Amino acid sequence: NAGVTQTPKFQVLKTGQSMTLQCAQDMNHEYMSWYRQDPGMGLRLIHYSVGAGITDQGEVPNGYNVSRSTTEDFPLRLLSAAPSQTSVYFCASSRHSEGNYGYTFGSGTRLTVV
Amino acid sequence: GDSVTQMEGPVTLSEEAFLTINCTYTATGYPSLFWYVQYPGEGLQLLLKATKADDKGSNKGFEATYRKETTSFHLEKGSVQVSDSAVYFCAPGRGGSEKLVFGKGMKLTVNP
Repeated sequence: NAGVTQTPKFQVLKTGQSMTLQCAQDMNHEYMSWYRQDPGMGLRLIHYSVGAGITDQGEVPNGYNVSRSTTEDFPLRLLSAAPSQTSVYFCASSRHSEGNYGYTFGSGTRLTVV
Repeated sequence: GDSVTQMEGPVTLSEEAFLTINCTYTATGYPSLFWYVQYPGEGLQLLLKATKADDKGSNKGFEATYRKETTSFHLEKGSVQVSDSAVYFCAPGRGGSEKLVFGKGMKLTVNP
């Protein structure tokens, strides 16, 4: 099993550009989420989804959009990149929206906005 | 909402030293509790978990006990190795639509 796959691993954007960070899981997990990791800030939740067709905002949703058309995929869209969005982005999934099972994380996308 | 407070470090230890990383949480009800580890350049991995009070999670020589009375889930290891150098995150988890909240993480460096 591949687990959670994130692409790309690295990306440099210019301010104002848009892009989509891809996340796919092959474990049939209902729950998927996006976090950003910044020095001294830990992980902060951007958006999450408890199943196909259902998404909700996390702690820091501004500037990001998500959709969940299938169980497997949960892309994160940056509408107009800003330097403040320079970060490492992690996608995570769980077998059930019930948190008891723990989360499986992707290896991350390192994004730099110049 | 739920929150967690953990030691932030960074911490540097010598090989074979004893490790304790404190974690306390605030939550309504009794959430499951998790420790995750992030090795350099990688994503987070689930290290251990406990789903109810007095449960002890253990993995790779690490242990943590769910203490409801002190709302704590401290991580311990009796003898650390160089390969334990990583960032450690404490997280209480909840079910349903509630969100997994992470501590800020503690960077551990173990020197030979």
